[in-house]
Amino acid sequence: AQSVAQPEDQVNVAEGNPLTVKCTYSVSGNPYLFWYVQYPNRGLQFLLKYITGDNLVKGSYGFEAEFNKSQTSFHLKKPSALVSDSALYFCAVRESNYQLIWGAGTKLIIKP
Amino acid sequence: GAGVSQSPSNKVTEKGKDVELRCDPISGHTALYWYRQSLGQGLEFLIYFQGNSAPDKSGLPSDRFSAERTGGSVSTLTIQRTQQEDSAVYLCASSLARDIRYNEQFFGPGTRLTVL
Repeated sequence: AQSVAQPEDQVNVAEGNPLTVKCTYSVSGNPYLFWYVQYPNRGLQFLLKYITGDNLVKGSYGFEAEFNKSQTSFHLKKPSALVSDSALYFCAVRESNYQLIWGAGTKLIIKP
Repeated sequence: GAGVSQSPSNKVTEKGKDVELRCDPISGHTALYWYRQSLGQGLEFLIYFQGNSAPDKSGLPSDRFSAERTGGSVSTLTIQRTQQEDSAVYLCASSLARDIRYNEQFFGPGTRLTVL
């Protein structure tokens, strides 16, 4: 069975600094990986995904993620954090044609 | 272009009562999901509907939980004889088609259920 782990419950970053939210995975077969964001009092929104191809995937709101097969990681990154990036971030891995296995989420706090 | 809507946004009920949660997916989306989100945990898959196919109910935690999708559109999640451990946020999502590699899920704002 597939699994995904987000080792940090919370990440604190100063505004303007680069941010990284970590995700590691375990899959049998090809990994299909996703990042979603949940802003306060709003539904989850898709950020980006890795299906195949370039290891660096670019997504919404200036976010990108790096797929690293040898380290089985798919960390979310942004070069310069904004206060408005404060939210709950979920990493997920494809379990079946229509199912995702979700990480527990990482709360990102950007301080002005 | 309305998104996925859910009602009610909040529901407080007493232990042992039945509740119904509603989801209106995006028009034209054939796939519909229900998830449960508990504090500090990821999303727990509950049930999946795809078109007119039989739903995948493998994630429903007990026989107190059931869901239906009428006319391939609106869905209702019913929890009978609610228990305190049912307290959570219930999320609905829809997508255009089945394959999640190419069809992102669009989520509703959720229903926060509190069982006293």
